[in-house]
Amino acid sequence: KAGVTQTPRYLIKTRGQQVTLSCSPISGHRSVSWYQQTPGQGLQFLFEYFSETQRNKGNFPGRFSGRQFSNSRSEMNVSTLELGDSALYLCASSFVWGRDTQYFGPGTRLTVL
Amino acid sequence: GESVGLHLPTLSVQEGDNSIINCAYSNSASDYFIWYKQESGKGPQFIIDIRSNMDKRQGQRVTVLLNKTVKHLSLQIAATQPGDSAVYFCAVINFGNEKLTFGTGTRLTIIP
Repeated sequence: KAGVTQTPRYLIKTRGQQVTLSCSPISGHRSVSWYQQTPGQGLQFLFEYFSETQRNKGNFPGRFSGRQFSNSRSEMNVSTLELGDSALYLCASSFVWGRDTQYFGPGTRLTVL
Repeated sequence: GESVGLHLPTLSVQEGDNSIINCAYSNSASDYFIWYKQESGKGPQFIIDIRSNMDKRQGQRVTVLLNKTVKHLSLQIAATQPGDSAVYFCAVINFGNEKLTFGTGTRLTIIP
């Protein structure tokens, strides 16, 4: 069974730009969650989608948004990029968030210049 | 809310020795516990899990111990190898409120 895939793997953007990251979950998984990982903060929860609905949300500004499609694939968008948005963005999928094991993708490394 | 912490941010172990990584959680109602391994430049990888109705579970070279009395979780890696060098972190799930909390991670370095 294929694992969680994320595209692109690396991105370099400049301040003020916007970016869209993509995640394809493990087949059969309907929950997709997104995390920001930085050396100082560890794993920070962004939001979680289940059946195209955002069910859980972390403490991030509205510049961070997401959506999920009917095939469970998910996208995350960050608008008006700031230097502090540089991080590894991880996507994880599970059958049901908060009920079973999450499996992570390789991440997208975003660098904001 | 739940808080999850690891006892040591870094740990260095001689190759061939056993490693023990510890995690403490705050909510006694937590139901499910998972250990992840994250190698440099990669996403976290599932290692082993344990449910609250168990106190020990073994995998290949890894053992997870759960002490609900003191709310403590540990990961034991037997006969550590260079490939075990990574950041290890625990995740704690509370089924009641579907709350998932991650620890901050322990960087394990294997000394050849």
